[in-house]
Amino acid sequence: DTGVSQDPRHKITKRGQNVTFRCDPISEHNRLYWYRQTLGQGPEFLTYFQNEAQLEKSRLLSDRFSAERPKGSFSTLEIQRTEQGDSAMYLCASSPGTSGSDEQFFGPGTRLTVL
Amino acid sequence: RKEVEQDPGPFNVPEGATVAFNCTYSNSASQSFFWYRQDCRKEPKLLMSVYSSGNEDGRFTAQLNRASQYISLLIRDSKLSDSATYLCVVRGSGTYKYIFGTGTRLKVLA
Repeated sequence: DTGVSQDPRHKITKRGQNVTFRCDPISEHNRLYWYRQTLGQGPEFLTYFQNEAQLEKSRLLSDRFSAERPKGSFSTLEIQRTEQGDSAMYLCASSPGTSGSDEQFFGPGTRLTVL
Repeated sequence: RKEVEQDPGPFNVPEGATVAFNCTYSNSASQSFFWYRQDCRKEPKLLMSVYSSGNEDGRFTAQLNRASQYISLLIRDSKLSDSATYLCVVRGSGTYKYIFGTGTRLKVLA
């Protein structure tokens, strides 16, 4: 399968715990995005990378959220001291990043439940 | 005011009907516009990009009105398989940050 993959697909954790999600983009896609989606809402932008550089981060994100893309390939999203309000689907997407290619390809998401 | 606004619906239409969705955006400098489709419990997938001159792909027509800052999606001859949530997506100027609307739910009824 050459699509975007995410791991784990589901995560249940207790409030106050730290969680880390992984995203593997389509090979050679330069841009990688993280979104959060709750029921009845569209994906909400969290952050994006151009290769290994984190170019933009949502002001809505607290400092409990951090993302990395150390070698410009896979990325991780960590949430520290989780809260019940963090329960959501976390989506990763990648795009080629070349001129004229704006399409984003999404992974299946990681569903987080904070008890 | 939200950056991208859509009527959440649901729009319930019979098979064969024509249905149209609108989406408004607040940033007049926005550069790129898209419609994505999201099936229940699935990830979003690109339906079509929206160009200034308007564009058509089979039964689907997308249009952009920069003066009024809205984009539209028209679906002709609706099929049961068109039932999904349609997400309006806008990219601003000088950034590759994409803003999604809340989505419009469409149910095509037999």
